[in-house]
Amino acid sequence: IAGITQAPTSQILAAGRRMTLRCTQDMRHNAMYWYRQDLGLGLRLIHYSNTAGTTGKGEVPDGYSVSRANTDDFPLTLASAVPSQTSVYFCASSRQPGGKTGELFFGEGSRLTVL
Amino acid sequence: TQLLEQSPQFLSIQEGENLTVYCNSSSVFSSLQWYRQEPGEGPVLLVTVVTGGEVKKLKRLTFQFGDARKDSSLHITAAQPGDTGLYLCAGVPPISNFGNEKLTFGTGTRLTIIP
Repeated sequence: IAGITQAPTSQILAAGRRMTLRCTQDMRHNAMYWYRQDLGLGLRLIHYSNTAGTTGKGEVPDGYSVSRANTDDFPLTLASAVPSQTSVYFCASSRQPGGKTGELFFGEGSRLTVL
Repeated sequence: TQLLEQSPQFLSIQEGENLTVYCNSSSVFSSLQWYRQEPGEGPVLLVTVVTGGEVKKLKRLTFQFGDARKDSSLHITAAQPGDTGLYLCAGVPPISNFGNEKLTFGTGTRLTIIP
């Protein structure tokens, strides 16, 4: 059972470098999400995609971009990493978007450290 | 942005004791989900409550949705070391015609059960 696969699991990155976190799902879910998790702040939504070909901004989108070329893949790109982007990043999916979201399925996370 | 506050933030108790954690908001939700997250993994859904006043039981865990659908509680009876983890509540806002409702996550309660 795969579900959501994220890569890399962990990465140390120099400030100013470009980084792409990969996310792939095999459940044919319509909606996908990127969250960051920081101590004391919980899970905050960065970007989302309700269906292939569409994306939207979440609560903390600045410094991040996403694309959704197909149903399965939803990469998150940091164009020029800054230390405040040090966090654990979680990709998630749900069968339907919006108020019909239902259960979110999460990957195991990507721990990113920006020095 | 709808805010969800969870309390306590940290809780450490002895095996066999009972405990209750809370998830509170000033906003109304169409449904509320509870997730458990273990170290190095993504959150996993435990239960969804939909109706005001609804009570759901999952073995030793009892979940209740407030009558006004603004708050929820999780009660664990006879806690065991396997219950250790981060408990997150997540609220789904009322469904609109725009279909862009997104889950709002609480900040979490980190529970440690001491053998």
